[in-house]
Amino acid sequence: SQTIHQWPATLVQPVGSPLSLECTVEGTSNPNLYWYRQAAGRGLQLLFYSVGIGQISSEVPQNLSASRPQDRQFILSSKKLLLSDSGFYLCAWSELQLANTGELFFGEGSRLTVL
Amino acid sequence: RKEVEQDPGPFNVPEGATVAFNCTYSNSASQSFFWYRQDCRKEPKLLMSVYSSGNEDGRFTAQLNRASQYISLLIRDSKLSDSATYLCVVKLTGGGNKLTFGTGTQLKVEL
Repeated sequence: SQTIHQWPATLVQPVGSPLSLECTVEGTSNPNLYWYRQAAGRGLQLLFYSVGIGQISSEVPQNLSASRPQDRQFILSSKKLLLSDSGFYLCAWSELQLANTGELFFGEGSRLTVL
Repeated sequence: RKEVEQDPGPFNVPEGATVAFNCTYSNSASQSFFWYRQDCRKEPKLLMSVYSSGNEDGRFTAQLNRASQYISLLIRDSKLSDSATYLCVVKLTGGGNKLTFGTGTQLKVEL
């Protein structure tokens, strides 16, 4: 069966510090991978998605970047965090034909607080 | 205007009640529709897809009105375990592999 893991689960970082969140998927090949952010009182916002190694699409201009160095690994990074980067970050994967099922499988999330 | 809009709630209902949530979407090119459930401080999970003819899964009924661009979710005989946030989700035609999420409607089922 497929599983998705992301870490760390919780982190508190000072403004201006770097960030690295990692996500890995097991049990499937060539998944679509996503990073979402959910800020307090707001909906899930798609940050990045990837359909293959090295292929990253950015949805909104921001202080973050993403990389996919391996088929089932997706990394979210920042060189200098801002207060507005605080939120609940969710990695997700889907089969290639997302429209058929509409099912995204989310990791357990990483709760980031920037102070 | 938001692409997907929902009443944030909370909807406080007694156990056994029937409750309905609505969701509106702005883009008429929207192709597919879904309801996700998110428990407090947890990740969202797919609850059910929404089909044009309406569909039912146990106590849950989803309906789509393309003309008015809204989607609904009806929960019958509410259980305490139904307490969660329900997210309306839309996929655009030609939108690739992306889903657009509403902000969610919070449901609290009480004794």
